[in-house]
Amino acid sequence: QEKVQQSPESLIVPEGAMVSLNCSFSDSASQSIWWYQQHPGKGPKALISIFSNGNKKEGRLTVYLNRASLHVSLHIKDSQPSDSAVYLCAVGRYGSSGNKLIFGIGTLLSVKP
Amino acid sequence: GGIITQTPKFLIGQEGQKLTLKCQQNFNHDTMYWYRQDSGKGLRLIYYSITENDLQKGDLSEGYDASREKKSSFSLTVTSAQKNEMAVFLCASSQGGNSDYTFGSGTRLLVI
Repeated sequence: QEKVQQSPESLIVPEGAMVSLNCSFSDSASQSIWWYQQHPGKGPKALISIFSNGNKKEGRLTVYLNRASLHVSLHIKDSQPSDSAVYLCAVGRYGSSGNKLIFGIGTLLSVKP
Repeated sequence: GGIITQTPKFLIGQEGQKLTLKCQQNFNHDTMYWYRQDSGKGLRLIYYSITENDLQKGDLSEGYDASREKKSSFSLTVTSAQKNEMAVFLCASSQGGNSDYTFGSGTRLLVI
């Protein structure tokens, strides 16, 4: 049973700060790692994904995956108040019974103006 | 652009009542999911379906039934609501493979 753990539980940063969010998972055979953003009262929205070891950059977001240490991190550059939300790490496998994502509990980010 | 719609947005039920939540998507996605979100516990998979009339149990399927009679819709039934239960039920759809999920805005359940 895949387990996904996120840290920290919550984070408060000033506007413009670099934000770093961490996620560890238990199954090295997991095929995809996703980060989702969830604003209050809304469903989660996919932000960025990574499948291979290394890093991937999209706009202000960079994700780093290290399969050997079963760890992935999300970095948000020049954080904005609109980035305030819960960030969910999700780990997925695709097989004969379809694809399933296992989610972590999330990190609550608050960016203060 | 497509949309995924969950109804109702809010649901208040009584202990022991059978409650049905509905989800519709117009992305023509093959796979649909029901997750439950509780404070401090994250999202937990209840049921999913990889095609019309297919049902697969998730980790939290006990106490729930699901139905996928059409590709575009997926319903979830709470078979016997538990008193003081409070949670958000999220529906999602995906094209399959390693594609991302698109989520609805959720149905907020309160059982009195």
